[in-house]
Amino acid sequence: DSGVTQTPKHLITATGQRVTLRCSPRSGDLSVYWYQQSLDQGLQFLIHYYNGEERAKGNILERFSAQQFPDLHSELNLSSLELGDSALYFCASSVAAGGNGELFFGEGSRLTVL
Amino acid sequence: QKEVEQDPGPLSVPEGAIVSLNCTYSNSAFQYFMWYRQYSRKGPELLMYTYSSGNKEDGRFTAQVDKSSKYISLFIRDSQPSDSATYLCAMSSMDSNYQLIWGAGTKLIIKP
Repeated sequence: DSGVTQTPKHLITATGQRVTLRCSPRSGDLSVYWYQQSLDQGLQFLIHYYNGEERAKGNILERFSAQQFPDLHSELNLSSLELGDSALYFCASSVAAGGNGELFFGEGSRLTVL
Repeated sequence: QKEVEQDPGPLSVPEGAIVSLNCTYSNSAFQYFMWYRQYSRKGPELLMYTYSSGNKEDGRFTAQVDKSSKYISLFIRDSQPSDSATYLCAMSSMDSNYQLIWGAGTKLIIKP
């Protein structure tokens, strides 16, 4: 158990809908990262928050947004969903502000868009 | 060309064999090199972490970094069926604000 909690574990929805994925980082970790992993694809970095502030953006679509709250949990909002958004969405946390520290990954949220 | 190149495999070897997994990269500024292991339908977990060049050993696992060739390797000795997983390399540098750049992952299958 990495100590990172993601909910929901599975989500099935229709095109055009909006979903929210939630992540609770490990106790004491200030950094939260969101990644997308499609079938047989590598990890695609979406966005990084450190102590409530956005630190870096990767290949995140304009239809997606995220935030990190004062209690350090984070939410990833996906709107106007398309079939191609079906993927595993991982949250990772780290005590460090950058990638020179170990990332601890959650179990992921599997999103299926029908 | 991707910043980090990794053969996706699959790589299938018999139990007990020595496995060699590799990544090449183009950014000479990378300083931190990591190997993550990902079991099917699970989140990746850190396996090995190396700063700059050299070797690091941990049990059956050895990580090597050759900065002159921009090449990193992960060796697994006495491979076990439980080592079957996808192995992802990742690296970062001060230039990129330490954001991790990931390889595509190599799927490894250890046959009993």
